[in-house]
Amino acid sequence: AQKVTQAQTEISVVEKEDVTLDCVYETRDTTYYLFWYKQPPSGELVFLIRRNSFDEQNEISGRYSWNFQKSTSSFNFTITASQVVDSAVYFCALSEDQTGANNLFFGTGTRLTVIP
Amino acid sequence: ETGVTQSPTHLIKTRGQQVTLRCSSQSGHNTVSWYQQALGQGPQFIFQYYREEENGRGNFPPRFSGLQFPNYSSELNVNALELDDSALYLCASSLRRGLAVNSYEQYFGPGTRLTVT
Repeated sequence: AQKVTQAQTEISVVEKEDVTLDCVYETRDTTYYLFWYKQPPSGELVFLIRRNSFDEQNEISGRYSWNFQKSTSSFNFTITASQVVDSAVYFCALSEDQTGANNLFFGTGTRLTVIP
Repeated sequence: ETGVTQSPTHLIKTRGQQVTLRCSSQSGHNTVSWYQQALGQGPQFIFQYYREEENGRGNFPPRFSGLQFPNYSSELNVNALELDDSALYLCASSLRRGLAVNSYEQYFGPGTRLTVT
């Protein structure tokens, strides 16, 4: 069975600090996909990144970076020099290859508040 | 913006009633998924439609049903509403190419907030 755990319910940081959001997943599949989505107060989920299980290369996109480690089943997300606009709920999600429907299993989310 | 639209934005219904939520997918996308997001929780997969047919379903009872139209827009219908159905309902569209079922991203709409009293 699949599971996504985001142990940090809420995090507050002061603007310009770095922050890492943790994500741990469980799956029996060898082929799977991991995602991060941002949900601002407006409610719309914004796609940030997709990573497949065969690509453990870390990725950097501007102030965002992702660290995928299969050995620890983790896919952590770091925001460097945080800004007030980064305040949102962030979800990690898993999609397994065998489900066929590409449905996403989401964690419970981490609410990030960036204080000016 | 993702180009995925949903209507209505907000809706209040009474227990036992029926509701229909609508979703227009992003131009060129042929797959629509529906999710339910209860307050303080992550979204939960309801079902997915691909080329007008249901293509997978989560752990939701049959009173949750859907349709996809030839233009790939979609409806979510919920019968016999219960108080626990109060949630944000999210629609996501994606483009499926052949058998690569997991090689594409899902783009979400702004959601419909349903309140059941």
